[in-house]
Amino acid sequence: RKEVEQDPGPFNVPEGATVAFNCTYSNSASQSFFWYRQDCRKEPKLLMSVYSSGNEDGRFTAQLNRASQYISLLIRDSKLSDSATYLCVVNPRDTGNQFYFGTGTSLTVIP
Amino acid sequence: GAVVSQHPSWVICKSGTSVKIECRSLDFQATTMFWYRQFPKQSLMLMATSNEGSKATYEQGVEKDKFLINHASLTLSTLTVTSAHPEDSSFYICSARRGYQPQHFGDGTRLSIL
Repeated sequence: RKEVEQDPGPFNVPEGATVAFNCTYSNSASQSFFWYRQDCRKEPKLLMSVYSSGNEDGRFTAQLNRASQYISLLIRDSKLSDSATYLCVVNPRDTGNQFYFGTGTSLTVIP
Repeated sequence: GAVVSQHPSWVICKSGTSVKIECRSLDFQATTMFWYRQFPKQSLMLMATSNEGSKATYEQGVEKDKFLINHASLTLSTLTVTSAHPEDSSFYICSARRGYQPQHFGDGTRLSIL
């Protein structure tokens, strides 16, 4: 079983829509969770960390569900500029510095 | 925010050439640096993890004699692809982190071997 699994999509949504991605992880000892955004042919950029209590940054909301071992990313009022691949990243503290990346979920926001 | 600089951003070389890629954390001291490779339409694949002053830890299947990593200081790590061949053509990305902070990525290096 993969450490981190994501639905690759693609998700094609109209501008203004709300879209949600989930990501499941296999190691229950995982401590740190992040969402990164990667544009085509560019490096990943940190979008937001995911905290146990959930966190929000503008139109973006991240949630952590430890019982079911998944994290989610909700994007409200989608903009064209949100089109990208969203990577789920998990760092199981018991493996030291190892980070595990999901394969990414592709989002295209359509005018 | 944290800045990681990677150089060069694009390299085109003949087969058999060795290529060196630099990764620098510009405004923080990186206790750990990571090297990834990404093929088109695929996710990042971790190649190795390096801590300053110690030998890199390579992932399974990554040849340490082929991909030489040096992490001489808290702000600089280098990856040398030795005797590169066309199958080594890829997008190589470094990242750096301080302690348990999130990773910050360099711009990536597109390596094309002819």
